[in-house]
Amino acid sequence: GQNIDQPTEMTATEGAIVQINCTYQTSGFNGLFWYQQHAGEAPTFLSYNVLDGLEEKGRFSSFLSRSKGYSYLLLKELQMKDSASYLCAVRDLRTGANNLFFGTGTRLTVIP
Amino acid sequence: EAGVVQSPRYKIIEKKQPVAFWCNPISGHNTLYWYLQNLGQGPELLIRYENEEAVDDSQLPKDRFSAERLKGVDSTLKIQPAELGDSAVYLCASSLGGGPSNQETQYFGPGTRLLVL
Repeated sequence: GQNIDQPTEMTATEGAIVQINCTYQTSGFNGLFWYQQHAGEAPTFLSYNVLDGLEEKGRFSSFLSRSKGYSYLLLKELQMKDSASYLCAVRDLRTGANNLFFGTGTRLTVIP
Repeated sequence: EAGVVQSPRYKIIEKKQPVAFWCNPISGHNTLYWYLQNLGQGPELLIRYENEEAVDDSQLPKDRFSAERLKGVDSTLKIQPAELGDSAVYLCASSLGGGPSNQETQYFGPGTRLLVL
């Protein structure tokens, strides 16, 4: 199956930068997604990587290294509203064209 | 543009009772997914529809769970009878549908939080 690992919890200070790592193992890799999920709410799409490198979107950036099975989500200029869970999800062609497999999520707490 | 709509948002039932969840995907989205999310965990796929066809239901516990998407738009997920361990959030998601070569982003609804007593 898919092994997707990310830290359970992280804490960072308002205005700072935080990097959330995700490692995965899959033989049918076809893309990696990051979602943000506030408590009691729906996961919302943040970023998508399928090729190696960095994708930047405002304060959020996501990086992928397929050879290392590794991605990170970088959040800059942290705001209190960034306190949420961040879910790493991998698309695996072996099990279905668009099926996503999610990690357990990293709960980020932003402190003043 | 309206997002994925789910109802009810919350449901409390006693064990052995039936329960049903409803989902209306984003207009024009052909692919619909039902996920289960336990507390502190990521979503886990239960079933995926391409239009009205269930193309992947390998993770759906078919002894008690059923789903349908009769006209290829709205979908319902049913549990009968519910067990204590079914307490979780049931998320519905949709995507355009276009094959693995596309950036097939899934958009999630707010979920139904089920508590089985």
